[in-house]
Amino acid sequence: GAGVSQTPSNKVTEKGKYVELRCDPISGHTALYWYRQSLGQGPEFLIYFQGTGAADDSGLPNDRFFAVRPEGSVSTLKIQRTERGDSAVYLCASAGQGATDTQYFGPGTRLTVL
Amino acid sequence: GNSVTQMEGPVTLSEEAFLTINCTYTATGYPSLFWYVQYPGEGLQLLLKATKADDKGSNKGFEATYRKETTSFHLEKGSVQVSDSAVYFCALKPSGSARQLTFGSGTQLTVLP
Repeated sequence: GAGVSQTPSNKVTEKGKYVELRCDPISGHTALYWYRQSLGQGPEFLIYFQGTGAADDSGLPNDRFFAVRPEGSVSTLKIQRTERGDSAVYLCASAGQGATDTQYFGPGTRLTVL
Repeated sequence: GNSVTQMEGPVTLSEEAFLTINCTYTATGYPSLFWYVQYPGEGLQLLLKATKADDKGSNKGFEATYRKETTSFHLEKGSVQVSDSAVYFCALKPSGSARQLTFGSGTQLTVLP
């Protein structure tokens, strides 16, 4: 079946602009995660949804970052007033509702802030 | 807090060589441990996992044993292939209700023919 998909695959924006990154999870997966991966580093957790609600947003770096999942499927990560330090690959993962369920990752969106 | 420390790369081996990539962790309780792999141009894929002490995870000839006494989860393969060239990430999921993964910084492996 289809895996996790993310759009766009690449996004170039200017400092101060607003961006939205989209994640389509595997059908039927109730858990959805956002991570950020800087060059040469491992992914860092941003936020986790169980269904429509954010169960844990402790990884969001500041209030410029926000994510939604209004119907419990597709999620959008929103970044306001982008800064050059926001440049990274943003990864989405989805999983079943069990605590031990494997997280399946999408290919990521590479965000470049000029 | 939780953390994962991985052997720094890059690692370059000849085909059929023995591979070890070291991974140690810091966490309270009994976390679950994972190795993920990222092949060139592809997304992260789960390679293997272990959920309790002394468990051995294995897949595609790779193995790792959850050692609570040394807080380690070293990745091994007896005979690497060119197709194993990738970036390998060690990760943990804490015990309890938290679901997020904490990753190491990754180890780049290149296998030469």
